[in-house]
Formats: sequence, structure tokens, C-alpha cells
Amino acid sequence: GENVEQHPSTLSVQEGDSAVIKCTYSDSASNYFPWYKQELGKRPQLIIDIRSNVGEKKDQRIAVTLNKTAKHFSLHITETQPEDSAVYFCAANLVGNKLTFGGGTRVLVKP
Amino acid sequence: DVKVTQSSRYLVKRTGEKVFLECVQDMDHENMFWYRQDPGLGLRLIYFSYDVKMKEKGDIPEGYSVSREKKERFSLILESASTNQTSMYLCASGAFTGSYGYTFGSGTRLTVV
Repeated sequence: GENVEQHPSTLSVQEGDSAVIKCTYSDSASNYFPWYKQELGKRPQLIIDIRSNVGEKKDQRIAVTLNKTAKHFSLHITETQPEDSAVYFCAANLVGNKLTFGGGTRVLVKP
Repeated sequence: DVKVTQSSRYLVKRTGEKVFLECVQDMDHENMFWYRQDPGLGLRLIYFSYDVKMKEKGDIPEGYSVSREKKERFSLILESASTNQTSMYLCASGAFTGSYGYTFGSGTRLTVV
């Protein structure tokens, strides 16, 4: 089955700096890669996703890149703000099938 | 917006009790999932279902069972609760053919004493 590894497990950045979270996956057939943000005490919420026919996708301050050859994908957050503090999860699957999640990254943005 | 509703936010049960966690979604999604979330261990899949009366084991099914009698409802059952099942339980639903990921419920924090 699919295995997703996520690094780092914790990330502390100064407000205004960039944050990068990296994930690798094992199943070359996976074609859908979402990212979830979970604020303290709340449910995980989808923030951005990418499919395997696209190399990069942006939405305001967040972007995701995908390298199919290397089987890794990354989340980039620019100009970080205190409200970006949360746990972020990457995931991978074949569209329509079950998601396999990475272990999560706790991001702390220091004012 | 898709709504995924979990019946209880907090639950305290005794060791050995049979526990039911209920999840209802309102968007006619085929897929439903139960995850367990523990500190440092991320989201681990317990069971999932692609359709009514269908169920598949996830990564950690031991000690759990599920029921899906109606498309909108997916129940997680702890046959005999144990203290190591103290955790946050998250239900999610998703469309079979879409690429929209999942929508999660708010979670049930279960404490087994």
C-alpha cells in the first residue's frame, strides 16, 4: 500500500518568513495530493491540492509543487502570519480511493 | 458546503463497554472513513466504506468494527473498549470520482477509563 513520509515534524518560523514542508510517497500510481490544515481543537481542512498532471499550483500565499519522478511534493507558505500556526498534513491517493496521510508538521509562526 | 456531523464531541466510557460513534454526511458521498488521531502518530485509518453495506479494513482495524446501513451514515463500534483506545476519532467523507479530497467531521474525543 501507499506510504507517505512528511518532514519536518515541527517547524518554527518568524512572521513574514517562508515555510516549506516536504512529503514523499511510495506508490507511483498515486495521482492526487491534498494538503490539510488543522488548527488547535478543530477538524482538518483542505487548503490546497494537486493532481499528477500538474507540477505546481498556487493559491495566494500557499503553493504546492510535485515531482513525480522523485515521488515527492512540497507545501510552500510565503509571508507567514500568526494564523498560519497549525498542524499541516500531506496525503496521497488514487482519486476516489482512500487517502494515506503523512505524520503531520506542527508549524509555529512567531510574531 | 458538505457537512459531516459526528454525534458526540466528548465521550467518557468504561473499560469493557460497547461504544458506538456515529457519523452522518449530507452530500450523498459514496466514501466514508474513520480515522484515529493520536499525538505524534498523525491520522491512522481504521475502516472505510465505498458503499452501503461495504466495508474495508484500514491500517489499524483491531478492536473496531463498522456499520453502514445507509449511505449517509457510518458507525464505528468499539466492541469492548480498552484504555488504549482513548483517542480523537475523526470521520470523513468523499466523492468516489472527485478530486476534492475529504471533508472531516469535528471529531469525537473518547476517553476510556
